[in-house]
Amino acid sequence: EADIYQTPRYLVIGTGKKITLECSQTMGHDKMYWYQQDPGMELHLIHYSYGVNSTEKGDLSSESTVSRIRTEHFPLTLESARPSHTSQYLCASSEANQVRTTNEKLFFGSGTQLSVL
Amino acid sequence: DQQVKQNSPSLSVQEGRISILNCDYTNSMFDYFLWYKKYPAEGPTFLISISSIKDKNEDGRFTVFLNKSAKHLSLHIVPSQPGDSAVYFCAASAAGGTSYGKLTFGQGTILTVHP
Repeated sequence: EADIYQTPRYLVIGTGKKITLECSQTMGHDKMYWYQQDPGMELHLIHYSYGVNSTEKGDLSSESTVSRIRTEHFPLTLESARPSHTSQYLCASSEANQVRTTNEKLFFGSGTQLSVL
Repeated sequence: DQQVKQNSPSLSVQEGRISILNCDYTNSMFDYFLWYKKYPAEGPTFLISISSIKDKNEDGRFTVFLNKSAKHLSLHIVPSQPGDSAVYFCAASAAGGTSYGKLTFGQGTILTVHP
């Protein structure tokens, strides 16, 4: 149903390394999101974008950064990974346009499980 | 301040019986509610949604009920199947302002359906 892809699925990396988590969607969605989730906890929004060259911080403060140079691509970067960044990172997109509709469901990728040693 | 709460961390049900998952919210600006299903190490999958102008929405074995006055919604699965075993997240969104289009999630409820 949804064509949204995240790579890598799993990443184990040492402290201080720079990493980029990739997210791509082929549905032409304008809205894209990054959520972070720890086991047993809710998903927290860390970044979102309403279109090319639009990026905003989410509700949860994060040391990561994002870019949106192309509609289909929304990568997340950590300049210097730390053990506190260990978590699952979920990318999502929404088909809703700027006019509010009730069809605001998000399509999620499979996630990247990041472990920083 | 958690705006969407799922107070039951887990639920265990026998195959064929009804599963009822509950969700409470505090933000009166929420006007659209969704349920997602998630397996470990996977992304959430959309299940069913409901607009605040309705009090019930049905899709096959899944029915969502919304009680606006109580700020409460529930997901009913009938009959429950072992393949339904997963974590279920309730989510909500609000129209307008800075909350436009963003989802606020509950902590999730682990559903286990026993054969």
